[in-house]
Parts: sequence; C-alpha cells; structure tokens
Amino acid sequence: DTEVTQTPKHLVMGMTNKKSLKCEQHMGHRAMYWYKQKAKKPPELMFVYSYEKLSINESVPSRFSPECPNSSLLNLHLHALQPEDSALYLCASSQVGSRANTEAFFGQGTRLTVV
Amino acid sequence: AQSVTQLDSQVPVFEEAPVELRCNYSSSVSVYLFWYVQYPNQGLQLLLKYLSGSTLVESINGFEAEFNKSQTSFHLRKPSVHISDTAEYFCAVSRSGNTGKLIFGQGTTLQVKP
Repeated sequence: DTEVTQTPKHLVMGMTNKKSLKCEQHMGHRAMYWYKQKAKKPPELMFVYSYEKLSINESVPSRFSPECPNSSLLNLHLHALQPEDSALYLCASSQVGSRANTEAFFGQGTRLTVV
Repeated sequence: AQSVTQLDSQVPVFEEAPVELRCNYSSSVSVYLFWYVQYPNQGLQLLLKYLSGSTLVESINGFEAEFNKSQTSFHLRKPSVHISDTAEYFCAVSRSGNTGKLIFGQGTTLQVKP
C-alpha cells in the first residue's frame, strides 16, 4: 500500500466554523507533512511531524492547528479561517533519518474554500 | 539553504514532438532531486527521483532526467509527448534524511497540442 488518503476531498466552510482535515498512511512512514498550495503556485510547507512530534512549524498562523494522534494519522484543525486561506491542502509522508532513501508520497489533497 | 529554479513557466509543444523542462538548483550540501507531476485538481505524483547512483533516471512513461552536478541541473526530457502529458511539472529538492521536506520550483505548465 503506497497511498496517502486525505478526507474530505472538498470542504466549504464559513469564517466562524471549526473543521478538520484528515490524512492517513499505512506505509510505516514516521514523518508526515502538511503543505498548502494556492492556485498556479508550488506547494509550500506548513508543518512537519517526525515520530509523532511536531518538528517544524513554518510560521503558520494559529488558526491552523496540526495534530498527530499516532504514526498513521495526521489532522489539521481549522478555526476562524479567512478567505485567503482557500487553497489545496496536501498531506505527505516519508521515511525519516537514516532510512530516508525513498521519495515522499502525497495525498490527493483537500480543496478548501472559505466563504 | 536550497533553492530551485524552473526556467520556463509554460512550454507549448505539439503532440509527438520532443520536450525538455529545465530545472536548476542551488545548495551548499548534497541534495535529493525530484520531478513531480500534477494534473488538474489532483495531488502530486512522483515522476522521477535522483537519490544516488546513476545520474540518468527514467520513468515508466518515457520521461527521463539527468543529474548534472557541475551544472547543478536536473532537466526533464521526453522524446515524444502525448496529449495526456499536459500537466503542471514541479522540480523539487530535499536534503538527505528527510525526503518530504521539499523545496519546489515555481512549476512548468506543459501544454501538448494536437
């Protein structure tokens, strides 16, 4: 199984809503990532979890709250978002450390629209 | 710090013609190099990777890329493109030890015309 599964595929939320994005992998990867991709732009790294601990936060606003409940799951909790947060949110996973000799695998993304 | 430059934002080409998408990188340490492809409204799919070994890497659908350390390049080539190759192509680098912490180029839109 080389899949990273993201749910939901599409999400429309108001600026006062609270929602969560979910990501799951069963490849035994111990690093998981959230990327944000605006239209016509490359993905930008938001967060990195390594061995279920947050290792990198690329100065992301606190209205985005990541969570890694176990080695297979990664969540992104959303609260009080702004319309400019509308984007494709991509989850990825990879090996880490001395075993990092293969590529990262990406999910299909969640298309988020904030209204 | 690493950076990636994709020299062409759009590449229009006719079907069955050859194509080259250019990528240059900058890094003071050894890096891994990748080409990812993104079809409309989809996630990223790995096309090619260079981690070590042979500098010429090939994909199963006819693309190839050559790692050139002296020119710090990783250009993507295909001798004959199909309509279905129309997509956005991203070149990316990562440091060893964390292949998911990627720095992407700005992307190249490959437009294959009939």
